[in-house]
Amino acid sequence: GAGVSQSPSNKVTEKGKDVELRCDPISGHTALYWYRQSLGQGLEFLIYFQGNSAPDKSGLPSDRFSAERTGGSVSTLTIQRTQQEDSAVYLCASSPVNRRAFFGQGTRLTVV
Amino acid sequence: AQRVTQPEKLLSVFKGAPVELKCNYSYSGSPELFWYVQYSRQRLQLLLRHISRESIKGFTADLNKGETSFHLKKPFAQEEDSAMYYCALGGIYNTDKLIFGTGTRLQVFP
Repeated sequence: GAGVSQSPSNKVTEKGKDVELRCDPISGHTALYWYRQSLGQGLEFLIYFQGNSAPDKSGLPSDRFSAERTGGSVSTLTIQRTQQEDSAVYLCASSPVNRRAFFGQGTRLTVV
Repeated sequence: AQRVTQPEKLLSVFKGAPVELKCNYSYSGSPELFWYVQYSRQRLQLLLRHISRESIKGFTADLNKGETSFHLKKPFAQEEDSAMYYCALGGIYNTDKLIFGTGTRLQVFP
């Protein structure tokens, strides 16, 4: 593909509902990252994958957040029982072995 | 714990003025430092990395291990440099983990 693709671009959900955010990385990229971007908070590290495994989940804000990656490719970030403070732009990036990250356009999540 | 600090949220300069965006990191190992840029309505993208020792769009950054800094500099700012700039730390304990600072918004006035 042309680059990292994220879907949906925008998601409005009601408080308490579960949401799934999808990331399609660049083919062949071994590392995949999830970040949360909110005003004044910069890029908050959530989790990264090396292949299908997640060596570092320390950035996940709570146990309502989970992520998986399958086939060394597509990743989904799931937020259960969404809260208003979860509203943010969720960015995905992928990288080959040189750790140069290529970012997607992001998913803007709004919890109402 | 590893951390990247960008002390300025906003930096405003006039066209032609020198620019320095500050970045300090906290990491006891051998760091890999990057600067990423996000122009209005565009994706975040790599600007430069310290191991390349390159100058991109007139920007340079030198890793100072003694001061644990990686400040981004440009001698003469241009209006098109207006964007959000993020400093990033990678290669943490030889993993692919990549963490970012809170970013600095650069505004260049005509």
